This record gives sequence, C-alpha cells and structure tokens, in this order.
Amino acid sequence: AQSVTQLDSQVPVFEEAPVELRCNYSSSVSVYLFWYVQYPNQGLQLLLKYLSGSTLVKGINGFEAEFNKSQTSFHLRKPSVHISDTAEYFCAVIQGGSEKLVFGKGTKLTVNP
Amino acid sequence: DAGITQSPRHKVTETGTPVTLRCHQTENHRYMYWYRQDPGHGLRLIHYSYGVKDTDKGEVSDGYSVSRSKTEDFLLTLESATSSQTSVYFCAISDGGFTEAFFGQGTRLTVV
Repeated sequence: AQSVTQLDSQVPVFEEAPVELRCNYSSSVSVYLFWYVQYPNQGLQLLLKYLSGSTLVKGINGFEAEFNKSQTSFHLRKPSVHISDTAEYFCAVIQGGSEKLVFGKGTKLTVNP
Repeated sequence: DAGITQSPRHKVTETGTPVTLRCHQTENHRYMYWYRQDPGHGLRLIHYSYGVKDTDKGEVSDGYSVSRSKTEDFLLTLESATSSQTSVYFCAISDGGFTEAFFGQGTRLTVV
C-alpha cells in the first residue's frame, strides 16, 4: 500500500526567504503525486501534480516541485515566500491502477514579516 | 468553484446516536471520497466510491459506513457516534484519470 511521509510538521520562515517542504512516498509501483494547500477554515485546493514526463513541475502561486524516483521524494519549493503563503500544505499520492488518494499529515508553513 | 456541497456544515451530537453527513455534487464526477482531518494526522481516507453502489474502504473505515445510490450523492453514516469521531469531515470528488480532486468546505462534527 502506498503511504506519504511529510518530514516537517511545521516550517517557520521569514518573508521573501526560500522554502522547501519535504515529502517522501513509498510504493512498489508507479505513483502519481500531488501537492494541495489548505488556507485557514477552507477546503483543499490543488497546487501542482506530477503524472509523468518532466520531473520538475510548476504550479500556481510560484510553487514548484521535483519528482525524484531514486529517492522517492517530491519536495515542494518556492524561491521567495509571501505572508499570504501561510497555510497548511499536503502531499498526496495515487498508486498506479488505483484511484485511492492518500495524503500525508501536512506541513504548516508560517511566513513571518 | 466545483459544485460540491457538504451538509450539515456543523453538527453537535450525543454519544451513541446515529449521524449522517451528505456530500452532493453537480459535476457528474465518477469518484467521491470521505476524509477526516485531525490535528497531527492530516487527512485520512475513510471510504471512497468509484461509481453508483461501488464503494471501498480507506485507512480508517471502522465505525463508518457509506452509500451512493446516485451519482451526485455520497452519504457517510456514523452508526453509533463516539467521542473519537469528533473531527472535521471533508468530501472530495474527481473525474479519475489522476485529475484534480475538488474538496468541499468541510463538516465540523462534535460528539459529546
């Protein structure tokens, strides 16, 4: 069964600093990877996804992620964060041949002035 | 915004009572999911559906049942609510093929 590990539960950063949110997955077969964001008191919305092709994926709001098959990772990055990026970020995976969408425990990103 | 509505949005119920949460979609998407969100646990899959009358268990299905008698509605039932089921419940829909999943606004359930 697939699983997702988000290595940091909380990440505080200063405004305009770069940030990396880490995600590792486990699966013995092909996977499809997603990052979702949840703003306070809201549902989740898709930031970006990796299905195949280029391992560097660009998403909304200046975020990007890199799929690394050898390290089974899909880390999310942004070169310069804003206060408005404060939210909780979830990594998720679908295993090939399934439509079961499984999430990690989330990383709370706090951007301080 | 995707047409997905959860009801009720808030509910307080007593231990031992049955509770049904409803997820309604207007997108005609094939797949529907129920998750619970708890601090420190992220989103955990309870049940999901891949078509009318076709459902499967997720990672935390004990104490929950689901039904999908028509494409647009996916019901989550707590047969006998317990305090451990106090949580925020999210419904999600997708068209499959690894497309984006759209989430409802959530239902905050408190079992006292």
